[in-house]
Amino acid sequence: DAKTTQPPSMDCAEGRAANLPCNHSTISGNEYVYWYRQIHSQGPQYIIHGLKNNETNEMASLIITEDRKSSTLILPHATLRDTAVYYCIVKRTGNNNDMRFGAGTRLTVKP
Amino acid sequence: DGGITQSPKYLFRKEGQNVTLSCEQNLNHDAMYWYRQDPGQGLRLIYYSQIVNDFQKGDIAEGYSVSREKKESFPLTVTSAQKNPTAFYLCASSIRQGNSPLHFGNGTRLTVT
Repeated sequence: DAKTTQPPSMDCAEGRAANLPCNHSTISGNEYVYWYRQIHSQGPQYIIHGLKNNETNEMASLIITEDRKSSTLILPHATLRDTAVYYCIVKRTGNNNDMRFGAGTRLTVKP
Repeated sequence: DGGITQSPKYLFRKEGQNVTLSCEQNLNHDAMYWYRQDPGQGLRLIYYSQIVNDFQKGDIAEGYSVSREKKESFPLTVTSAQKNPTAFYLCASSIRQGNSPLHFGNGTRLTVT
């Protein structure tokens, strides 16, 4: 599975959009991009995933570049409750879902 | 409500004792996973199971053991052979199809002194 690179930390003002980048330059054609987040002392929460098209759900939008070497998770109107560590994971489709989590990006939403 | 239950939330043990962490799911998922998280770090995969009575080692299986006798349950035993057992342990489950997301429990924080 491809390796991902995320900034260790980011800040965002409450009510503004939070744009979290992820680089995955070695991604291959059958690998999906997943995003999870973890609020302190809780289990990670699935947010969204995609292959090559942009995706949107009630939590966030996922923008994947045309060459698929990077992606951005967008929280359109960040709230204080969005403060968490956000993990970007690249995983090939197959029979196993044994995902590997890196250190992620610690997003702090400030009032 | 469907979900994954890990119990207890906090667990304390003396060094040299084995301890078993519970993980139960009622999501009817075939696959289950155990991860370990140390302070300020990401999650590391200990063991996973795709089906009842079968499981595979993850990246850091040494000092741990698991069983999968029932679809709903995937207990993790932290043995006395695990050199640094104090950590936050997370259980997850998913359906078997390759691009399905993981659903996590809220973890057990184990402290060994």
